[in-house]
Amino acid sequence: GESVGLHLPTLSVQEGDNSIINCAYSNSASDYFIWYKQESGKGPQFIIDIRSNMDKRQGQRVTVLLNKTVKHLSLQIAATQPGDSAVYFCAEIHTNAGKSTFGDGTTLTVKP
Amino acid sequence: DTEVTQTPKHLVMGMTNKKSLKCEQHMGHRAMYWYKQKAKKPPELMFVYSYEKLSINESVPSRFSPECPNSSLLNLHLHALQPEDSALYLCASSQEPSLSYEQYFGPGTRLTVT
Repeated sequence: GESVGLHLPTLSVQEGDNSIINCAYSNSASDYFIWYKQESGKGPQFIIDIRSNMDKRQGQRVTVLLNKTVKHLSLQIAATQPGDSAVYFCAEIHTNAGKSTFGDGTTLTVKP
Repeated sequence: DTEVTQTPKHLVMGMTNKKSLKCEQHMGHRAMYWYKQKAKKPPELMFVYSYEKLSINESVPSRFSPECPNSSLLNLHLHALQPEDSALYLCASSQEPSLSYEQYFGPGTRLTVT
C-alpha cells in the first residue's frame, strides 16, 4: 500500500534543510484545505491553500500535497529558515457548512 | 487595511466577574468568527456571524454570549466563567460566509480565569 507521513507534534530541522509537515484530515466531504502558521503571541496566518480537485500546489518556498485516498495533507518548506519556526496547523473546510476544522499542530524548530 | 484587531491583549478575571472581548475589522468582511485555543492545541470554533446574524453556535455554554453590533465589530461577553475557560480567544473574519476558508485572524486575547 501507499506510505504516507505520520503527523508529528514536533519537528526540528537544520537551517537550509527541507521540512515536511504532515496532517491527516477526517471529513471526506471537505473540499478545501489550508495550512496556517502560528507564531508565538499571534493568531494563525494563512500560508497556502489547495482545493480538493487538485493534488499539488506550489507557492514561494512552500508546496502542499493532497492525497484524498488516504485523507492526508502535507506541507513542504524548502530551505527552511529560522523565521519559519512556529506551530503549523492544517485546516479542512466543508464550504457548504461554512466552517473550518483545524488539525493538531506541529511545532517546527529551525536550528541555525 | 487587512488587519483584525482584538482588545484587550490580556485579561484576568474572577469567576464572578463580567467582562467583554472586542474584535474589529475594516475590510468590509461580512462573516466573523470566535475561536477558543488552549495551549498547544488547535483553534476550536465557537461562533460564526454571517451578515451580523448568528449562524453557527458550536454548543458553547451560555456563560459566553456573542454580539455583533455592526458589520465591523464583534464582541464576546463573559460571565461566571470557570478556570477551565482560560485560553486564547481568537477572532477572525472572511469576506463572505461562503468563503469561510479565506479567514484573517486577529492576535487573540489571552484570558485567565482565577
